[in-house]
Amino acid sequence: NAGVTQTPKFQVLKTGQSMTLQCAQDMNHEYMSWYRQDPGMGLRLIHYSVGAGITDQGEVPNGYNVSRSTTEDFPLRLLSAAPSQTSVYFCASSKLPGQGAYEQYFGPGTRLTVT
Amino acid sequence: AQKVTQAQTEISVVEKEDVTLDCVYETRDTTYYLFWYKQPPSGELVFLIRRNSFDEQNEISGRYSWNFQKSTSSFNFTITASQVVDSAVYFCALYAGGTSYGKLTFGQGTILTVHP
Repeated sequence: NAGVTQTPKFQVLKTGQSMTLQCAQDMNHEYMSWYRQDPGMGLRLIHYSVGAGITDQGEVPNGYNVSRSTTEDFPLRLLSAAPSQTSVYFCASSKLPGQGAYEQYFGPGTRLTVT
Repeated sequence: AQKVTQAQTEISVVEKEDVTLDCVYETRDTTYYLFWYKQPPSGELVFLIRRNSFDEQNEISGRYSWNFQKSTSSFNFTITASQVVDSAVYFCALYAGGTSYGKLTFGQGTILTVHP
């Protein structure tokens, strides 16, 4: 049981480049989300999804796109990378809020540097 | 709006000392969940505990204990007889649903360093 997996672990981009951060989970969780972690700011929600075909914006969505074509996968796209997007990105999954026990399981993170 | 405040940015202790990490939260919802996560130097986020708003019982798990007090909106975490392996960043988080459906609100984190 792999849990939540993320690729790549590290990435360096030049300003203006685009890329996709991959996230997959094998726990059949309906809810998936992306957070970014910046020093002294905890984790902030970028986008989330409550099921295949359904996504919504979180706290800091600008510059990012998501889609959810399957229950298992939830990729995060950086459209035109900017230095302000240098961060550590975490993907998480859980049962749908309201379905009893609710804790989010996090992937190992992707450390992104934009130069 | 939800808010979580971890006033202690960094704490440094010597091994075997007890240490308490403070967490204060704000929410208007009557039903909510509180969490603690540990982030060791390797970087992953490890779930430690969940507590819902209707359960104010304190919990103990080995050297870890949690004190939930609705009257002061606090959910503090105590490590007894700290060890070097406890060195990590600890995050308190809140889920309150409603218009924040699915969103965990994290505190800024407390960096705990345990010296041998």
